[in-house]
Amino acid sequence: AQKVTQAQTEISVVEKEDVTLDCVYETRDTTYYLFWYKQPPSGELVFLIRRNSFDEQNEISGRYSWNFQKSTSSFNFTITASQVVDSAVYFCALTHTGTASKLTFGTGTRLQVTL
Amino acid sequence: DTGVSQDPRHKITKRGQNVTFRCDPISEHNRLYWYRQTLGQGPEFLTYFQNEAQLEKSRLLSDRFSAERPKGSFSTLEIQRTEQGDSAMYLCASSRDRSTDTQYFGPGTRLTVL
Repeated sequence: AQKVTQAQTEISVVEKEDVTLDCVYETRDTTYYLFWYKQPPSGELVFLIRRNSFDEQNEISGRYSWNFQKSTSSFNFTITASQVVDSAVYFCALTHTGTASKLTFGTGTRLQVTL
Repeated sequence: DTGVSQDPRHKITKRGQNVTFRCDPISEHNRLYWYRQTLGQGPEFLTYFQNEAQLEKSRLLSDRFSAERPKGSFSTLEIQRTEQGDSAMYLCASSRDRSTDTQYFGPGTRLTVL
């Protein structure tokens, strides 16, 4: 069985602060993919990043960066110099290379960025 | 690409009524997924289509739920005899051919059962 844990239910930061969202996963598969999605108040899930289990290189995209550590089964997401527009619920998700490749989501972390 | 679209965006119905939702995937995406999201939770998988074939269904999909994807294009999700527990956001996602391809989500249909 697969499981994704996002222990932080809600985080509040002041604009320009850095913030890290934690994600811990469980899977028995050797090949799997990890994702982060953003869900703004409008409700649509917006894809942010996908990583496969064989690529542990950290990735940076603008103010966003991701730290994948297989040894601790974690895939953490850092926003540098946060902005009000970053306010949303962020979901970490996991899938394996089975037929359906259905996503298993965590419960999400609500990020509130204030001025 | 035009994104995934869903219709309606909101639906309010009375308990016992039937409702139907529609999802139009990104063109040329062969895979289509339905998920359900309740308040404060992450989306949960309901069912999956590869072209017109429904290949997997979750145990969450009771007998009152049925999904179709005729001709492998748009999909419909019907809930018969709605119950208050069906109140949720119903999300549709699509992806290309491979099981490893990224799923892109639509805006969802928020169902409220009174």
